[in-house]
Amino acid sequence: AQSVTQLGSHVSVSEGALVLLRCNYSSSVPPYLFWYVQYPNQGLQLLLKYTSAATLVKGINGFEAEFKKSETSFHLTKPSAHMSDAAEYFCAVSDRSNDYKLSFGAGTTVTVRA
Amino acid sequence: NAGVTQTPKFRILKIGQSMTLQCTQDMNHNYMYWYRQDPGMGLKLIYYSVGAGITDKGEVPNGYNVSRSTTEDFPLRLELAAPSQTSVYFCASSRDRNEKLFFGSGTQLSVL
Repeated sequence: AQSVTQLGSHVSVSEGALVLLRCNYSSSVPPYLFWYVQYPNQGLQLLLKYTSAATLVKGINGFEAEFKKSETSFHLTKPSAHMSDAAEYFCAVSDRSNDYKLSFGAGTTVTVRA
Repeated sequence: NAGVTQTPKFRILKIGQSMTLQCTQDMNHNYMYWYRQDPGMGLKLIYYSVGAGITDKGEVPNGYNVSRSTTEDFPLRLELAAPSQTSVYFCASSRDRNEKLFFGSGTQLSVL
């Protein structure tokens, strides 16, 4: 079975600063990894997805994530935060051991200071 | 395309009441899911369906039922509401397993 741990339930950054959200996973077989974003009072939207084609994955809105097998990590970054990045971010993992059903992390809420 | 539509957006139930959360999608997706979201807990899968007439349990199915008579609709039924079912419920769909999920805007349910 797979699981996801997101370090830090809240992250506060200044506008223009680096955004770094940490995600570690456990999986007994090669995983698929996802980052989703949830804006207030909305459903989740896909930011990016890792499918083993490349370890560095670029997503929407300037976000990217790097898959590191040796560290079982899939951290999300954005070089320069914008006020519109304030949201909750979820890391998720799926693999064939669970018929590719997604397991979500607990989420990280990002606030952006002007 | 409307995507995934959930109704109602908000609902307050008394303990023991029943209700159905509606979900419909217009993307002709085979896979549909129901999740609940509790603060600090992420999303937990309640039930899912891989096509019309086929449903299966997720992580937290107790107290819920589903049906999938058409490709478009995937209603979630609460038979005897309990305070533990106070949560935000999300319906989602995908074209295939392991594909991008499209989420509805959620239903905030309180059981008092």
